Amino acid sequence: AQSVSQHNHHVILSEAASLELGCNYSYGGTVNLFWYVQYPGQHLQLLLKYFSGDPLVKGIKGFEAEFIKSKFSFNLRKPSVQWSDTAEYFCAVNAQDNYGQNFVFGPGTRLSVLP
Amino acid sequence: SQTIHQWPATLVQPVGSPLSLECTVEGTSNPNLYWYRQAAGRGLQLLFYSVGIGQISSEVPQNLSASRPQDRQFILSSKKLLLSDSGFYLCAWSIWGAINTEAFFGQGTRLTVV
Repeated sequence: AQSVSQHNHHVILSEAASLELGCNYSYGGTVNLFWYVQYPGQHLQLLLKYFSGDPLVKGIKGFEAEFIKSKFSFNLRKPSVQWSDTAEYFCAVNAQDNYGQNFVFGPGTRLSVLP
Repeated sequence: SQTIHQWPATLVQPVGSPLSLECTVEGTSNPNLYWYRQAAGRGLQLLFYSVGIGQISSEVPQNLSASRPQDRQFILSSKKLLLSDSGFYLCAWSIWGAINTEAFFGQGTRLTVV
């Protein structure tokens, strides 16, 4: 079974600081990887996804993530955060050999960006 | 385009009362359907998922049950709510039979059991 861990529970940054949120998963097979974001009072939205190909994935709002297979990691990055990036971020994985049926989420990282 | 509807948005129920949360998907056929519970600091816990009408997989033992009476309808129920059932419940869908699919989420239901 898959599992996902996220390194930080709560991250506090000032505007214009760089962001990196860690995500590691455990699963021996081929996986799809996702980052979702939940802005205050809103529903979960997909930030970016990795299915195959280039391990550096670009998403919406200037976010990107890098899949490092040897490290079972899929860290999220943004070079310069804005106050509007304040949200909760969830890393998720599903197994391709299960036809992507099971989405397993990490515990989430709350990002607070100070103006 | 596909849309997912989940209701109600908020619900306050007394302990011991029944529960019924409904989720419907439009614009797609035979989706995979999911119920998650979101608790602070614990991320999203998968409660149930369904790959077809009447087919329900339960991920954790609990006071809740799920049913899929129609292709695009997924219902979360309880006969008697417990205080510990309070939380934020999310319905989601994904494309059936696709190796590469993302999950699409509804707006969620905030359930408070008092």
